[in-house]
Amino acid sequence: GESVGLHLPTLSVQEGDNSIINCAYSNSASDYFIWYKQESGKGPQFIIDIRSNMDKRQGQRVTVLLNKTVKHLSLQIAATQPGDSAVYFCAEMGGSARQLTFGSGTQLTVLP
Amino acid sequence: KAGVTQTPRYLIKTRGQQVTLSCSPISGHRSVSWYQQTPGQGLQFLFEYFSETQRNKGNFPGRFSGRQFSNSRSEMNVSTLELGDSALYLCASSLEAADRGAFFGQGTRLTVV
Repeated sequence: GESVGLHLPTLSVQEGDNSIINCAYSNSASDYFIWYKQESGKGPQFIIDIRSNMDKRQGQRVTVLLNKTVKHLSLQIAATQPGDSAVYFCAEMGGSARQLTFGSGTQLTVLP
Repeated sequence: KAGVTQTPRYLIKTRGQQVTLSCSPISGHRSVSWYQQTPGQGLQFLFEYFSETQRNKGNFPGRFSGRQFSNSRSEMNVSTLELGDSALYLCASSLEAADRGAFFGQGTRLTVV
C-alpha cells in the first residue's frame, strides 16, 4: 500500500532575508530544548540549545526564543543563505525520562 | 575532535535476518542514544546507554537491542528484520546526558527487502 509520510511544514524565504521557524511543544515539564538542522542524506546537526531558565539565546546568525507560557519555541536565522536550506527540527527533554523528543520538522527553502 | 562515527553507512538485508550497527561517540562522551528516522514516524528514540548500562528505553519491540562497551562505543542489533524496519538509524553522543548537548552521526541507512 501507499506509505504516508509526515506532512512537513514548509518555509520559503528569499536569500538575505531573516527566517523564523516555529515549534510548539506539549510537555510542561520540558526543561531543555535543542534545534537541529538536517540536510538530505546527513544526520541532524546541532545548531543551538536553550534551558527553561532562559527565554532567549543567541549564536552565530541564529537566535532561539522560548515562551514557556504558551509552550512555544522559535529559531530565527539572520540573513538566510542558500546553505541554510534544510529540514529543521526542535527537540525537547523533560521529566524523569531524560531523552529527547523530536518535532516533525520544517523544510526551509532559500530562494535565490 | 572527531565527530560521531557510524558504520556501515548503508546496509541491505533480507526479511528475517538480523543486523548489527555500530556507533563510535565523540572522544570523552559517555552517553550514546539511538534513534530511528522514517518518513512516516519521524525521529523516534530507541534507547540510551551510559557507562555500559541501558539508562533509558523507548517504545520499540524487544527485537531492537543494544549494548555499550567500556570505551563507550555502542552497537545496536535488530533481529528478525521486517520490511518496516527500513529506516535511517542515528546515533547521538553526549558528554554525560543529552541535556548537555546531543551530537549525531551520519546514520546508517538500512533497507530490508
